Amino acid sequence: EAGVVQSPRYKIIEKKQPVAFWCNPISGHNTLYWYRQNLGQGPELLIRYENEEAVDDSQLPKDRFSAERLKGVDSTLKIQPAELGDSAVYLCASSLDTGVNYGYTFGSGTRLTVV
Amino acid sequence: GDSVTQMEGPVTLSEEAFLTINCTYTATGYPSLFWYVQYPGEGLQLLLKATKADDKGSNKGFEATYRKETTSFHLEKGSVQVSDSAVYFCALSDEGMDSSYKLIFGSGTRLLVRP
Repeated sequence: EAGVVQSPRYKIIEKKQPVAFWCNPISGHNTLYWYRQNLGQGPELLIRYENEEAVDDSQLPKDRFSAERLKGVDSTLKIQPAELGDSAVYLCASSLDTGVNYGYTFGSGTRLTVV
Repeated sequence: GDSVTQMEGPVTLSEEAFLTINCTYTATGYPSLFWYVQYPGEGLQLLLKATKADDKGSNKGFEATYRKETTSFHLEKGSVQVSDSAVYFCALSDEGMDSSYKLIFGSGTRLLVRP
């Protein structure tokens, strides 16, 4: 079974430019998460989807970040415009249903560098 | 709020040495506790978990015991290998809270095992 697939693996952009990250979760996984991992820190939740609905986006900086999950499958996370402090690894994860005891599967992440 | 504190790294050991990585937590509900491992260039992988006090999680020679009295979940392995070199994250989810689906991570501990 394919795991959670993220692209691109690396992205370098200048500040004020837009950027987008893509995630393809495991087939059949209803719940999708985006986490951000700053250098030397543990991941922090940005947003959670149940199917196509964003049910918790309380940690998403809505002035510049947006996300969507069309048809409850793939998801895109966008930043516009990017700032230097957005440099981090953006992790996507999915689970069969909501609740950590269903088991998260993480993707390899997208490492964003804003210069 | 809930939090996880891990010992700072890097931890450098010789092959076959005994490993302990300390983890303590604060939580207001009834947390489940996890250890995740991140190998270079890969996503986070669940290593082991424990869902209630005095439970012991184990996998691949690693083990950790959920100690409610000391709010700890220390990771141990009797004999490390070079292939264990990775970053280890302690995490919790608070089952008694509305956000029980959310993983709260420590800052990670890098382990380097030398031949």
